Order: sequence, then C-alpha cells, then structure tokens
Amino acid sequence: DAGVIQSPRHEVTEMGQEVTLRCKPISGHNSLFWYRQTMMRGLELLIYFNNNVPIDDSGMPEDRFSAKMPNASFSTLKIQPSEPRDSAVYFCASSPTGDLRYEQYFGPGTRLTVT
Amino acid sequence: AQSVSQHNHHVILSEAASLELGCNYSYGGTVNLFWYVQYPGQHLQLLLKYFSGDPLVKGIKGFEAEFIKSKFSFNLRKPSVQWSDTAEYFCAENAGGTSYGKLTFGQGTILTVHP
Repeated sequence: DAGVIQSPRHEVTEMGQEVTLRCKPISGHNSLFWYRQTMMRGLELLIYFNNNVPIDDSGMPEDRFSAKMPNASFSTLKIQPSEPRDSAVYFCASSPTGDLRYEQYFGPGTRLTVT
Repeated sequence: AQSVSQHNHHVILSEAASLELGCNYSYGGTVNLFWYVQYPGQHLQLLLKYFSGDPLVKGIKGFEAEFIKSKFSFNLRKPSVQWSDTAEYFCAENAGGTSYGKLTFGQGTILTVHP
C-alpha cells in the first residue's frame, strides 16, 4: 500500500498566485481530511469529506480557500489568491470511515511558502 | 471553542529515562482523546487512543496514557525511553465523545533522546 500521496511536496509561490495542493487517499478509505500546520496555530483541521461529500468546512480560513473531492481517489485544496500568511505545511489524511475509532492515516505533507 | 494544551514544547532526555508528556483539554463533557507521533522524516501516526472504559490506555512501542477526568488531562508516559523515540508528539481530542467529528490537536511536543 502506497499510503496517502500528496503533491507537490514543496511549493514556493509569489503572493497573489493560485496554489493547488493534491491528495490521493488510501484506496478503499471513505473519509479524507485536510489539515494545516503552523508554528503559531499548530495542527488544525480545515475540512473533511465523507464519501466525497464535504461534511465540515468550518476550519477553512476564508473564501480564498476551497477544497474539492471529485472522486474517491483524488482531492484538491486550492488557495486563490495566496498570501504570505498561508505559508504552512498542509497535510492530507484518510480513514476507512469518518469514525474516529479508526486511525487517520496522514500523508507526508506539502510545505507551502508564499513570498 | 475546544482547545488542547501541551505545556512542554521541547523535552530532552537521556536513554532509559522515564517520560511524561503533559496534555490538558478544555471541553467539560465527554471526550475522545488521542496521541499521535511524527518520527523524523515520517508521517504522523497514531500511538494510542481513549474512548471509554479503563482510563489507562496502552499503545504501541511501550507507550501508555492515563485519562484523568478531574484534571482534564491525558498525559503520555513511557518508563524507559530509547533514542528511536525521538519525535514530535501530538495530543488531540474529539469533543462530545461521538465517534464522528473533527480532531483538535495540541501544539505538539518535540522529544529528543540522547544515546
């Protein structure tokens, strides 16, 4: 099993540019989570999907952020336009179900730097 | 809003020393509690979790945690650490104690074990 796959691993972009982060969950997993990790705020949940449907997006910081899951094997997190304060490590995780009794499996993260 | 506090940002120990990492949560009702670990260069992975029952929970690699409701705490312990335990440790809660919902993570504690 390849685990959760994220791309790119590193992204450096200029303020105002659009950024798209990608995630492929573990095959067969029905839930997918997007997290952001910063020094100031730690690890925080942005949004999660169950069966490709967004369940809770209350953690999405503002309208510049959007997430989609067009099918069970792919999700994107888009920031448009990007700002320096968006610099962080973005993690994707998947789980067999949304049930927290099952472990969430994390990807390696995408380190985003906005200059 | 729920919050999780990990009071120690960085802990440095020698091999064979005993470990206790503090975790306090704020939610006054039923909670589910977790410890995740991120080894250098690896993904976040689950160490242990508490849902109900015995408040002393045993996890992988000799770790255990004790849920003390009166103290709103879920401290992680290991009687004798090894160099390979060097990692960042995250405490997390799911407020409300339902099986579904989102995790709120603490800021993380970096553990460095010297051989």
